[in-house]
Amino acid sequence: NAGVTQTPKFQVLKTGQSMTLQCAQDMNHEYMSWYRQDPGMGLRLIHYSVGAGITDQGEVPNGYNVSRSTTEDFPLRLLSAAPSQTSVYFCASSYSPERGYTFGSGTRLTVV
Amino acid sequence: SQQGEEDPQALSIQEGENATMNCSYKTSINNLQWYRQNSGRGLVHLILIRSNEREKHSGRLRVTLDTSKKSSSLLITASRAADTASYFCVFSGTYKYIFGTGTRLKVLA
Repeated sequence: NAGVTQTPKFQVLKTGQSMTLQCAQDMNHEYMSWYRQDPGMGLRLIHYSVGAGITDQGEVPNGYNVSRSTTEDFPLRLLSAAPSQTSVYFCASSYSPERGYTFGSGTRLTVV
Repeated sequence: SQQGEEDPQALSIQEGENATMNCSYKTSINNLQWYRQNSGRGLVHLILIRSNEREKHSGRLRVTLDTSKKSSSLLITASRAADTASYFCVFSGTYKYIFGTGTRLKVLA
């Protein structure tokens, strides 16, 4: 099993560009989340999903969109990149809130 | 803004010593979990304690939870150089997982 796969691993964007960070899991997990981690800080929740077709906002949703058309995929879209969105982005999935999340290896995004 | 605070922010100990880190939170929770992160990589789930539990063990890890004080502690016994990492408490009410600010642990060989 691949677990949680995030692509790309690294990305540089210019201010104002848009892009989609991909996240896929092959564990049939219903729960998926996107986090961002800034230097020296913990992870902050951007958006999460409790199943296909169901998404909700986390702590820092502004500037990001998500959709969940399938159980496997949970892409994160940056609408108009800003330097403040420079961060490491982690996708995670879980069988249920009572169990631990499995994390992807992260996408390091730089907005110049 | 995050709803969890960890203490200390950084901890440096000698190999073989015990390491204790604490986490405080503000909301009611269903469970609290601890994760480890090595050098900016993905996080690894260590242990989960439910809100009706007070203490839990897993190998060299011991977690306590005091819901009246809204706090938890993680004890790593007989630390090893490989334990060098950042440790985060993560608490959840329903579906949202909220991370603490993390403790950076350095174990010196």
